[in-house]
Amino acid sequence: KAGVTQTPRYLIKTRGQQVTLSCSPISGHRSVSWYQQTPGQGLQFLFEYFSETQRNKGNFPGRFSGRQFSNSRSEMNVSTLELGDSALYLCASSSGGVSEKLFFGSGTQLSVL
Amino acid sequence: GESVGLHLPTLSVQEGDNSIINCAYSNSASDYFIWYKQESGKGPQFIIDIRSNMDKRQGQRVTVLLNKTVKHLSLQIAATQPGDSAVYFCAETPEAAGNKLTFGGGTRVLVKP
Repeated sequence: KAGVTQTPRYLIKTRGQQVTLSCSPISGHRSVSWYQQTPGQGLQFLFEYFSETQRNKGNFPGRFSGRQFSNSRSEMNVSTLELGDSALYLCASSSGGVSEKLFFGSGTQLSVL
Repeated sequence: GESVGLHLPTLSVQEGDNSIINCAYSNSASDYFIWYKQESGKGPQFIIDIRSNMDKRQGQRVTVLLNKTVKHLSLQIAATQPGDSAVYFCAETPEAAGNKLTFGGGTRVLVKP
């Protein structure tokens, strides 16, 4: 089985722009979660989608949004980028039950200049 | 999350020795705990998990211990190998929170040949 695929691998944007990151979960997985990883704050939960519905949400401003498609692929969007949004954005998938093993992708490294 | 990067605790261990990585968690409602390993340039990789109705669980060369009384989790790696060099994260969640994991700050393990 192919693993979790995230695209693009690297991204450079400037302040004020918006960005869309993509995640393809493992085949058959219906849950997709997004995490932000920074040296200062570590790994922080953004949101989780299951069957095209947001099931959980972290403590991030409304500039961070996401969605899930009928094929379970997910996208997250960050609008009005700030320097502090520079981070590794990780996507994880699972079959969908609660407290199940998460499989992470390699992430998208976003740099905001 | 806690600070990582420059302030990341580091465990230096001789190849072949056993390693013990500790983690203190904060949410007394958490009942599902997981250890992840993250190598440079990759996303976190699941190592082992444990639920709150257990205090010990063993995998291949790894053992997780849970002490709910003092909210402490540990990961023991037997016969540490060079491939074990990575950053290790503990994560916790109440089952009701689904895949909304709270991660610890991480511990860097360096295996000396």
